[in-house]
Amino acid sequence: DVKVTQSSRYLVKRTGEKVFLECVQDMDHENMFWYRQDPGLGLRLIYFSYDVKMKEKGDIPEGYSVSREKKERFSLILESASTNQTSMYLCASSLGLGPGTNEKLFFGSGTQLSVL
Amino acid sequence: GEDVEQSLFLSVREGDSSVINCTYTDSSSTYLYWYKQEPGAGLQLLTYIFSNMDMKQDQRLTVLLNKKDKHLSLRIADTQTGDSAIYFCAESNKYGGATNKLIFGTGTLLAVQP
Repeated sequence: DVKVTQSSRYLVKRTGEKVFLECVQDMDHENMFWYRQDPGLGLRLIYFSYDVKMKEKGDIPEGYSVSREKKERFSLILESASTNQTSMYLCASSLGLGPGTNEKLFFGSGTQLSVL
Repeated sequence: GEDVEQSLFLSVREGDSSVINCTYTDSSSTYLYWYKQEPGAGLQLLTYIFSNMDMKQDQRLTVLLNKKDKHLSLRIADTQTGDSAIYFCAESNKYGGATNKLIFGTGTLLAVQP
């Protein structure tokens, strides 16, 4: 079974802090994704990566950056956390061999981030 | 624009059938997906349907696709308390070249009453 591990289940940070959310997958997947989940808004794509050192902006990249130095690890960075970034953050990966595998996502359990 | 719509809440009694509905916008989606999120967990792929199919059955799950109306539904037969979760509909969409991304609906919270 594919395992996607997010380093923290709950995180509390202060406004203005730099925040790192880490995600590791163990199945050699090409694609990795960061979503945020908010009640009534569903999942919104922040950034994704289809290869090491490659990244693409999703629908809501403002205030975030990402890093993918190794294939198995995809980090989400909040440069200066703000209260409107309080949310559940979900990492996902997919095999990446084209349509049909790109969209079969395997998700981590999520990190609930509170910015005070 | 891209939009996937679902009702927010559905309550059923244990043993009844549940039907969760979804409307989507991108008629070029190759696959349409249903994901399930149990409390405190990430999403997991439940089932999917290829866009040239009308129906797909997988044990207690039946997916119906009406391409003309861009309507997708998930029917759960003999609903159990363990089926209580949030169900997300998703369509695939071309995003910047070859990479496909998923557009998720808002999710439907299914509450199963014993």
